[in-house]
Amino acid sequence: NAGVTQTPKFRILKIGQSMTLQCTQDMNHNYMYWYRQDPGMGLKLIYYSVGAGITDKGEVPNGYNVSRSTTEDFPLRLELAAPSQTSVYFCASTLRLGDRWGNTEAFFGQGTRLTVV
Amino acid sequence: AQRVTQPEKLLSVFKGAPVELKCNYSYSGSPELFWYVQYSRQRLQLLLRHISRESIKGFTADLNKGETSFHLKKPFAQEEDSAMYYCALGPSGNTPLVFGKGTRLSVIA
Repeated sequence: NAGVTQTPKFRILKIGQSMTLQCTQDMNHNYMYWYRQDPGMGLKLIYYSVGAGITDKGEVPNGYNVSRSTTEDFPLRLELAAPSQTSVYFCASTLRLGDRWGNTEAFFGQGTRLTVV
Repeated sequence: AQRVTQPEKLLSVFKGAPVELKCNYSYSGSPELFWYVQYSRQRLQLLLRHISRESIKGFTADLNKGETSFHLKKPFAQEEDSAMYYCALGPSGNTPLVFGKGTRLSVIA
């Protein structure tokens, strides 16, 4: 039972380069999220998805793109990397049935530590 | 608008002292609230949910709708409690969990 898996764990990018952070979950969760966590700071929502084919912007979407072609995968694309995107990126997923969260638990990946130089 | 406020960025307490991590929310509907914890260099994980009314690792949290609060409490802090704690709100509709900015708890021996 892998849960939420993110790759890579670490990456150094040069300014202007592009990359895709991969996220996959094997729990058949409908909601998936991407957060960034800057040093000493809290979580900021970048993008989220409530199901395959549906994505929406979060608090800090600029400079990022996402897609959700399958239930399992939710890749995050960085175009034209900038030093301001240096952060730890977390992918998460939840299973939400109906309108209540109830016993929902958000499962997080182990994070991707990205440095842009 | 849905909002979760954790007013303390950092909280330092001595081992054995009581701990209270504050969380206030802004939500017009019936709230569902959670506490998540992140130990050093680990992924976030669920600590407790208000619907369960349970105690996990000695922590409890009571939903106070009048004060719109969901403070996390523990009577006697332990060194292993040092971590980042996030309060989260589950709103209605197709919207994601809303996390607060987090409070870093440091328990001093």
